[in-house]
Amino acid sequence: EVQLLESGGGLGQPGGSLRLSCAASGFTFSNYAMSWVRQAPGKGLEWVSGFSGGGGSAFYADSVQGRFTVSRDNSRNTVYLQMNSLRAEDTAIYYCAKDGTATFYYMDVWGKGTTVTVSS
Amino acid sequence: QSVLTQPPSISGAPGQRVTISCTGSSSNIGAGYDVHWYQQLPGTAPKVLIYRDSNRPSGVPDRFSGSKSGTSASLAITGLQAEDEADYYCQSYDTSLSGVVFGGGTKLTVL
Repeated sequence: EVQLLESGGGLGQPGGSLRLSCAASGFTFSNYAMSWVRQAPGKGLEWVSGFSGGGGSAFYADSVQGRFTVSRDNSRNTVYLQMNSLRAEDTAIYYCAKDGTATFYYMDVWGKGTTVTVSS
Repeated sequence: QSVLTQPPSISGAPGQRVTISCTGSSSNIGAGYDVHWYQQLPGTAPKVLIYRDSNRPSGVPDRFSGSKSGTSASLAITGLQAEDEADYYCQSYDTSLSGVVFGGGTKLTVL
């Protein structure tokens, strides 16, 4: 069974950092792009960042460019999201999602999400 | 402001047919990028409902169908059921932004 399990959410200080992890199982991890999608309270979905499959490259939404860094460890079947310079508007549920291909196409498996709250 | 535009809400009675529109531009849907649809039930993670404009993953009832034309796409739900009450999102790729884009979401209420 294909599964994604996020961890690392919690309370972060404005200007501080948090690191999210997403452990994958049940598929050949290295072959697929992986994305982070967030949902602020009461709001819609926002694609934040992703790392393509195969050789892989990282991509970011403008709202997090320069503050967040996505990486993947294919030996550990895990994708990470390093979140720096946190802002109140980063408060959201962060979902890890597997793409149906090696590039960013559509997300066929989602994790349950991890909640990030940025507040002093 | 979302790159893809959806109506914020729609409603329908059980058994009726409803459609949700998703309007994009020449840098996403109009550029030929496929449209995908997700259903998010209250308190749960999204799940893919339609991929590549009109394809249903296994397990998704054929009451759900997707179509695309020009810079817009639509999700149709026939034989509306109470369990269809959820938020629905369209998604595509935008070449100007070099990234995935979502619609703002549509809340479906079954009367």
